Amino acid sequence: DAGITQSPRYKITETGRQVTLMCHQTWSHSYMFWYRQDLGHGLRLIYYSAAADITDKGEVPDGYVVSRSKTENFPLTLESATRSQTSVYFCASSEPGGHTGELFFGEGSRLTVL
Amino acid sequence: AQSVTQLDSQVPVFEEAPVELRCNYSSSVSVYLFWYVQYPNQGLQLLLKYLSGSTLVESINGFEAEFNKSQTSFHLRKPSVHISDTAEYFCAVSGNSGGYQKVTFGTGTKLQVIP
Repeated sequence: DAGITQSPRYKITETGRQVTLMCHQTWSHSYMFWYRQDLGHGLRLIYYSAAADITDKGEVPDGYVVSRSKTENFPLTLESATRSQTSVYFCASSEPGGHTGELFFGEGSRLTVL
Repeated sequence: AQSVTQLDSQVPVFEEAPVELRCNYSSSVSVYLFWYVQYPNQGLQLLLKYLSGSTLVESINGFEAEFNKSQTSFHLRKPSVHISDTAEYFCAVSGNSGGYQKVTFGTGTKLQVIP
């Protein structure tokens, strides 16, 4: 089925380890986004990408790295995980041009950093 | 800059009663408005959106929202809720920011429908 697939859905790691969350979309949407969801904060944008090889920082980018070598993939890497990065991470995409801002979300990746 | 305020973090309501989830926004540019719904352990799904035209927009499952420009509000309403409406609801606004539609979310309102 078409859509956004995130993996892993659940991950437990330790402080200081590197973690990569994967995101794959089948719609050929140009824009892709990574959000984190925390109680009391709603969703906050980490990074976004307008197209392959074009990425930009969002509201809370510190401690995260992204890449987009192919239109359909947008992995998020925590280079050295910290406990404050325990969260639920959502990947999203928007239609070509992204002209309304309507977003299509994946199922989320729940990350626990011990 | 733009922002979204959802003052109610939780709203308990009895089944078949009406409900209103409040959303106010601020923005210096014209915006599009959205309500998303999130069921437990799932991603967000679009519930309804206001892009232009009629200020009253409806979803397929009985929710409606009205865009009020003078009050900068986009409250979500349903005349009779069902158990299956129990979820978290997020209001969002998108406005042009440096060539792309920046989306800002509210902090969410958990709707708890009581049998």
